[in-house]
Amino acid sequence: EDKVVQSPLSLVVHEGDTVTLNCSYEVTNFRSLLWYKQEKKAPTFLFMLTSSGIEKKSGRLSSILDKKELFSILNITATQTGDSAVYLCAVLNPYGNKLVFGAGTILRVKS
Amino acid sequence: DAGITQSPRYKITETGRQVTLMCHQTWSHSYMFWYRQDLGHGLRLIYYSAAADITDKGEVPDGYVVSRSKTENFPLTLESATRSQTSVYFCASSELGGYTEAFFGQGTRLTVV
Repeated sequence: EDKVVQSPLSLVVHEGDTVTLNCSYEVTNFRSLLWYKQEKKAPTFLFMLTSSGIEKKSGRLSSILDKKELFSILNITATQTGDSAVYLCAVLNPYGNKLVFGAGTILRVKS
Repeated sequence: DAGITQSPRYKITETGRQVTLMCHQTWSHSYMFWYRQDLGHGLRLIYYSAAADITDKGEVPDGYVVSRSKTENFPLTLESATRSQTSVYFCASSELGGYTEAFFGQGTRLTVV
């Protein structure tokens, strides 16, 4: 059964800190890994990763995939209170027709 | 308006009643999905559809029925609502399934009393 595990489940940091969120998966020959940010409503797309070792960046957020070790990390530098959200990791199954989500990491950034 | 919309946004119903949650997208995306989100479980796939008239079960399909007669609509029906179906339901669509990201609707908060 496809499985996605995120860690930590939650964390609290202060503004300006750097955080690393982890996502490991057990999906054989998966197609891509996606990161979403959810702030009390619909998840919004952050990154899609398909190739190992290639970092995707968007402002203070970056993510990288390790297909050999079956994990991905999401880094947020110089955190702001607006980064407070649930961060969801999802993996596409081999057929590309199902997204399997992890339980999410709840991030709270204190001012 | 372009995008993906869900209705209603909030619904309270009684145990045993039939409830239909609506999902409409304007992008003509091939793939559509229904998820439920519960504390501690993240998003769990209920049903998905690769095209009109093609649907398949996800991780937690029991108690739910879907149909997709038109590409843009993907309603989810709870045939006989139970309290365990109290949840937030998200509809999503994707252009090419595994090759593009999925976009989510705003969610429907369903409470079964």
